[in-house]
Amino acid sequence: AQSVTQLDSQVPVFEEAPVELRCNYSSSVSVYLFWYVQYPNQGLQLLLKYLSGSTLVKGINGFEAEFNKSQTSFHLRKPSVHISDTAEYFCAVTLFGGGADGLTFGKGTHLIIQP
Amino acid sequence: DTGVSQNPRHKITKRGQNVTFRCDPISEHNRLYWYRQTLGQGPEFLTYFQNEAQLEKSRLLSDRFSAERPKGSFSTLEIQRTEQGDSAMYLCASSQGAGERDGYTFGSGTRLTVV
Repeated sequence: AQSVTQLDSQVPVFEEAPVELRCNYSSSVSVYLFWYVQYPNQGLQLLLKYLSGSTLVKGINGFEAEFNKSQTSFHLRKPSVHISDTAEYFCAVTLFGGGADGLTFGKGTHLIIQP
Repeated sequence: DTGVSQNPRHKITKRGQNVTFRCDPISEHNRLYWYRQTLGQGPEFLTYFQNEAQLEKSRLLSDRFSAERPKGSFSTLEIQRTEQGDSAMYLCASSQGAGERDGYTFGSGTRLTVV
């Protein structure tokens, strides 16, 4: 079975500073990788996804992530954060072709933007 | 299409009562998932439909939980004899296939509070 580890439960960053949210996964087979954002009392919104091809993927709101197969990582980055980026961020995986249980999520990283 | 719709947004119920939630997925999506999210955790898989067939159920889904997707359109999740431990956000997601095209689209969730 696949699993996802988000190493930081909380990341405080000053406004306009760069940020990296870390995600490592474990799977014996190929996976698709996703990052979702969740604002308070809302559902999850897709930021970006990696299926195949270029290991650097760009998403919405200026976020990007890099797939590293050898390190089984899919870290999320943004060069300059804004106060509106304050939210919970979830990394998720699903098996190539879609696992029977859909997405497996990490526990989330709370991004806190300080003015 | 307005995305994935969930009703109600909030539900407060007394312990022992039955509750039912509804999810309307994106119309062309053939897969529908239910997840449960407790405070400070990532969403956990409950069950999955491909069209009208329920193909997988998590061990988290006790006998008190039942889900249906008649005619492969909307889905309902019923919890019988609710317990305080059932308090959580219940999220519905839909996808076309394994989500290769546009990922998994989530609704805003139904927040259940059992008192």
